[in-house]
This record gives sequence, structure tokens and C-alpha cells, in this order.
Amino acid sequence: QAGLTQPPSVSKGLGQTATLTCTGNSNDVGDRGAVWLQHHQGHPPKLLSDRHNNRPSGISERFSASRSGNTASLTITGLQPEDEADYYCSAWESRLEVRVFGGGTKLTVL
Amino acid sequence: EVQLLESGGDLVQPGGSLRLSCAASGLSFSSYAMTWVRQAPAKGLEWVSAIGSHGRGLYYADSVKGRFTISRDNSNNMVWLQMNSLRAEDTALYYCAAGSDTDPLDFWGQGTLVTVSS
Repeated sequence: QAGLTQPPSVSKGLGQTATLTCTGNSNDVGDRGAVWLQHHQGHPPKLLSDRHNNRPSGISERFSASRSGNTASLTITGLQPEDEADYYCSAWESRLEVRVFGGGTKLTVL
Repeated sequence: EVQLLESGGDLVQPGGSLRLSCAASGLSFSSYAMTWVRQAPAKGLEWVSAIGSHGRGLYYADSVKGRFTISRDNSNNMVWLQMNSLRAEDTALYYCAAGSDTDPLDFWGQGTLVTVSS
């Protein structure tokens, strides 16, 4: 079961904008979209965006998700120190009927 | 407030078995799909298994198929992961998650630690 492709790390300055990408194929991201999760070590993952790119209640407007073809993106504006975390995308692989995750992107806020 | 509480994690020898539990509250449990996701030390998140709302559909990652079994009891708001023939590579923090059948990762528990070692 191949996973989704995410860059291992992204570094941006305080207040800047970071765009994280997640590439899959027509059977996963391209079919049903992807969700985005934020994970601070020592805490459970937190859903940032559902597969329709909607933010759950309580998630800052600084987080926005989008999709183009087989690639999903998460844009974080006005980077804050607390945004430093691991970010994962995940999608349902409709042909194999399994869920796949990306390897995660470690976001560093300089 | 939705709460998911995992339990059952332990140190177990290779080849052994373990049963993880996840107790859910604050949601209409039978309407939610339940998912197990794990994170091995210094690794990323890995999907393990899922069971659809109302028990519709059982799904497994290739890495656990034939060894792990997911089940649920809608009367008691519980979901379990029976893990047999455990291997060292099953060592991980196991999370329980809940959501809709199409968006199943809305809510997460704190996790329970499974260590497979002799």
C-alpha cells in the first residue's frame, strides 16, 4: 500500500506563509480528497481540514486546504511558534479500500 | 464533548496477543466509523484498521491483515482491536479515532502504548 508523498520538512519565518503539499493518485487524493492533521508530539493528532477542505469548529482561519488533481495542499498564513509541528495528510484509497497517510512534514517556524 | 479513551497497551513477547479497547462518550456512537492508527517510535502515522458505522465494513492494512481483528459494541460504545501474532514492528502508540464513514478522523484519543519485545 503506497503512501501519499509529503516533503519531509519545511522551514519558514515567523509571520510568513507556509504551503505544504501532499501528492497521491487518482484512486486516493484525486478521487475523494485528503484530510489534514496537525500533530504535536506527546499529544493526539488534531484534524485541521476534512476531505472537502472544510475546517472543523475551533480551527483557526489561518489554516486553509485545497486540492488540484491528485495533489492536496495546506496553507498556513501568519506563522506562529505554536504552528511548529508535524503535519500529515490522509486519504481513502478507493480501489484497495484502505486509508493511506503521507509520511508527514515537519514544519519549523524560524 | 467527544472523548475516546484507549486502554490495553502493554509489553508483550513476539508471537503474543493483546486486545486494545477504546471507550467512546459524548457521541452517537453507532453512527460513527471507528479507526485505529498507530505511530511507531520516530515514525509517522500509520493506518491500521477501521470499522464502519453500524458495523458496516471491516478494513485492514496489509501489514496487519490476518493477525488483527477490529470489532465494536454499539450498546456499550466500545471498539476493540484484537492483535495476534505480534511482531517487533507492531511496537507503537495506538490511537483510536472517530468520525463519519467518509471523514473518519475527526476525534482522537490519547493513545495506548504497545511494546513487542522479548
